[in-house]
Amino acid sequence: EAEVAQSPRYKITEKSQAVAFWCDPISGHATLYWYRQILGQGPELLVQFQDESVVDDSQLPKDRFSAERLKGVDSTLKIQPAELGDSAMYLCASSITGTGSTDTQYFGPGTRLTVL
Amino acid sequence: QKEVEQNSGPLSVPEGAIASLNCTYSDRGSQSFFWYRQYSGKSPELIMFIYSNGDKEDGRFTAQLNKASQYVSLLIRDSQPSDSATYLCAVGESSGYNKLIFGAGTRLAVHP
Repeated sequence: EAEVAQSPRYKITEKSQAVAFWCDPISGHATLYWYRQILGQGPELLVQFQDESVVDDSQLPKDRFSAERLKGVDSTLKIQPAELGDSAMYLCASSITGTGSTDTQYFGPGTRLTVL
Repeated sequence: QKEVEQNSGPLSVPEGAIASLNCTYSDRGSQSFFWYRQYSGKSPELIMFIYSNGDKEDGRFTAQLNKASQYVSLLIRDSQPSDSATYLCAVGESSGYNKLIFGAGTRLAVHP
């Protein structure tokens, strides 16, 4: 069964350092999502790509976060500099089209970030 | 601000009982509704989706949707200890590109 791949699975860093997360969506999925999930809360969308274009980054803290999906396949999410409040699970998801009410999102295993 | 509300729990049920999980949402135009299960430290796993008013059954799971009341529920029949997890309700936003708004989840504990 096809799955969303993410790496690393765990990352520990010190505040003010840069971190990067990688995601490879299910083959053929045009839409890729990055979510942040703080412990005890539901996932919150950070950025959504349709192919290589950003279609929603309204909740992305653009002063420190950046995301790219250059060839419309895999994607990288970067934080620079990391802050203590960035400690969370970073989830990547993908869906076939990203449009229409019947499109379903499938999640990768996530990256657990701890900022010291 | 569009919201999805869930009781945080924990909801404790004995093995074999029916677990009932509830969710309300604020976006009256939403057309798609999803239930995800999340084990501690793991990522969300899709259980069911529902788009039309009424009930949808899949094995031991039944999703119920009432758009007029802006209410979604998930019933788990014959609950098993392996069902113990956090259940996330997600609602598709009526505007934009298939954006999902998640609730904070309900923690379910099934005891033997």
